[in-house]
Amino acid sequence: DQQVKQNSPSLSVQEGRISILNCDYTNSMFDYFLWYKKYPAEGPTFLISISSIKDKNEDGRFTVFLNKSAKHLSLHIVPSQPGDSAVYFCAANKAVGRLYFGRGTQLTVWP
Amino acid sequence: DTGVSQDPRHKITKRGQNVTFRCDPISEHNRLYWYRQTLGQGPEFLTYFQNEAQLEKSRLLSDRFSAERPKGSFSTLEIQRTEQGDSAMYLCASSLSLDRGEKLFFGSGTQLSVL
Repeated sequence: DQQVKQNSPSLSVQEGRISILNCDYTNSMFDYFLWYKKYPAEGPTFLISISSIKDKNEDGRFTVFLNKSAKHLSLHIVPSQPGDSAVYFCAANKAVGRLYFGRGTQLTVWP
Repeated sequence: DTGVSQDPRHKITKRGQNVTFRCDPISEHNRLYWYRQTLGQGPEFLTYFQNEAQLEKSRLLSDRFSAERPKGSFSTLEIQRTEQGDSAMYLCASSLSLDRGEKLFFGSGTQLSVL
């Protein structure tokens, strides 16, 4: 059972525009949410996170929004750059311990 | 380099052989995780340790899989009698347990191909 879902396997965005990646979850016990970025043949790299007590967290070009009532979070990248092209994974945990990952969204930023 | 280190990066083996992977976590991290990732999927949890104690194992971890972290530092993951379905990227991650908001740091993975 997939407790973290990323329903869009791919997203293509022009350089300079906004990229919005979406994630849904089913387990109301999740308390902490993270986004990871992965390049081919490398391990996932932490990008940004948000606690369930917040609804927004911002770090430079990256902002994560959390809507607990809808069990939905999104990652906004503004402005998008070609170097942002990678697979983005949404993950969640119950404050500590193992992470539950979605299947990922392949982001392609074209010039 | 103070990141998570995994060895080897690539492993090709024949079906039925045993393989062992090593992970060296970030030195001050007390938790160590093993994940597996196949094409088109997100990382799937296998097992994790806090110090030398193995605290949780996934149902994905069959009897052919065993993991150890003997001194609470590096860890090994062994797969016995490998099958073609074991072909995947095996990822190790480490973290420093906190009261809230645990963040995992991943190594580059070991790509296993079973022929």
